[in-house]
Amino acid sequence: DTAVSQTPKYLVTQMGNDKSIKCEQNLGHDTMYWYKQDSKKFLKIMFSYNNKELIINETVPNRFSPKSPDKAHLNLHINSLELGDSAVYFCASSETGLARRDRYEQFFGPGTRLTVL
Amino acid sequence: AQSVTQLDSQVPVFEEAPVELRCNYSSSVSVYLFWYVQYPNQGLQLLLKYLSGSTLVKGINGFEAEFNKSQTSFHLRKPSVHISDTAEYFCAVSDQWAAGNKLTFGGGTRVLVKP
Repeated sequence: DTAVSQTPKYLVTQMGNDKSIKCEQNLGHDTMYWYKQDSKKFLKIMFSYNNKELIINETVPNRFSPKSPDKAHLNLHINSLELGDSAVYFCASSETGLARRDRYEQFFGPGTRLTVL
Repeated sequence: AQSVTQLDSQVPVFEEAPVELRCNYSSSVSVYLFWYVQYPNQGLQLLLKYLSGSTLVKGINGFEAEFNKSQTSFHLRKPSVHISDTAEYFCAVSDQWAAGNKLTFGGGTRVLVKP
C-alpha cells in the first residue's frame, strides 16, 4: 500500500529524446509536487498542483510540462532532454485541509533517477 | 522568499554518541519548519515538523528539534545515535501564507555513524 509511487525508478536516455515520469498518490491529498535533486543532493521545487490546478511553476524550462489528469496523479513530461536534466526527480503530495492532523506534511515518492547520455 | 542554511555538510559521529545538526533560515514572513531524512537511494521521510505551539518538537526515531525564533534556527538533536541513523538530513521551511505550500530546502547534512 505505497503512499506515493513513481514510475519508472530509473530512466536512461539519449540527449534530444522525450520522456515521461508518472506519479500517483493514494493518500487522498489535494496537492502534488515535483522536486528536482541534483548531483550535490540539492532539492528544489519545480511545480505544484492543487486539485488539478497549477499553483507553483518555478523557473523551469518550457521543455518540462506537468500534467495532472486527476487529484491522485501528477505526471512530468520532458521534451528534448539535455545533459543537465540528469537528476533524481521526486514527486510528493500533501493535504492543505484545515481538519487534517498531517496538514502541510509532504509525503515523498521513492524518486526517479534520470540519466541523460 | 526564504532561504535555509545547514551549517555542516558532513557530520561524523560515533555510535551511541549525541549528534546535533544545525539549521538556520531566513524569511520575511512566518514559516513552518521541517526536518526530513533521506536514506541511501530512497525518498525523503519526515522526521518532525514545527507549525506552532511548543518550541521543542519531538519526532520519530528519537529525534527532537527546537525552534528559536530570535535566532531563526531549528536545530535537530538525538541523544544517542545508531548505525542505522547514517543518512542525509534536510531542513526545510514553507511560507505559512503562500499558496502552494512549497518547501525550500537546505543543502543537507550527511551523517555518518561509526561503530
